[in-house]
Amino acid sequence: GAVVSQHPSWVICKSGTSVKIECRSLDFQATTMFWYRQFPKQSLMLMATSNEGSKATYEQGVEKDKFLINHASLTLSTLTVTSAHPEDSSFYICSARLASSSTETQYFGPGTRLLVL
Amino acid sequence: AQSVTQLDSHVSVSEGTPVLLRCNYSSSYSPSLFWYVQHPNKGLQLLLKYTSAATLVKGINGFEAEFKKSETSFHLTKPSAHMSDAAEYFCVVSDPYNNNDMRFGAGTRLTVKP
Repeated sequence: GAVVSQHPSWVICKSGTSVKIECRSLDFQATTMFWYRQFPKQSLMLMATSNEGSKATYEQGVEKDKFLINHASLTLSTLTVTSAHPEDSSFYICSARLASSSTETQYFGPGTRLLVL
Repeated sequence: AQSVTQLDSHVSVSEGTPVLLRCNYSSSYSPSLFWYVQHPNKGLQLLLKYTSAATLVKGINGFEAEFKKSETSFHLTKPSAHMSDAAEYFCVVSDPYNNNDMRFGAGTRLTVKP
């Protein structure tokens, strides 16, 4: 149980295009999902917290107009990187919390590697 | 504020020998602590977590960690390394009442030599 999937697993795009990444909780409902990015040989940095049916909460320094997050259902959150540039190339990882309780463990997806040319 | 420090960026062991990955935390309250493993180009897998129950926590794949409040440590151990253990390991701290705010350590890369 508690499986989180991401699609696509990797994507290459041209500079200036937009890329959408999906995060799904496969066997549970997730009222809260999280988006992280990880640069090579670095740790994960939280970008935003996504709550079903409401606006995402972004961490300081993360541009909400650049990284659009939609959490339309209890099993799906999407991250859209708008007008992507090479500096956006990174490994994007989502996680989902098992229940509405904030004490529950986060379960992580397999990640999406984005390369912007 | 809370944070974790992983004392070694890289640990190398021989197959069959013990593994010790060190983690120290800083928190103004009794935290929740986690160890995650990340294999190359993969997402994170939860190894184990401490949430104020038993101080010795057993996880998957033979790993365990001991919460030591007096030392503010949560070191990860395994008696005998396997080649498949080679990966990146992250120690994570969070507020036990609100794990929206999970703080990751910088990671420790474990290499296992045959």
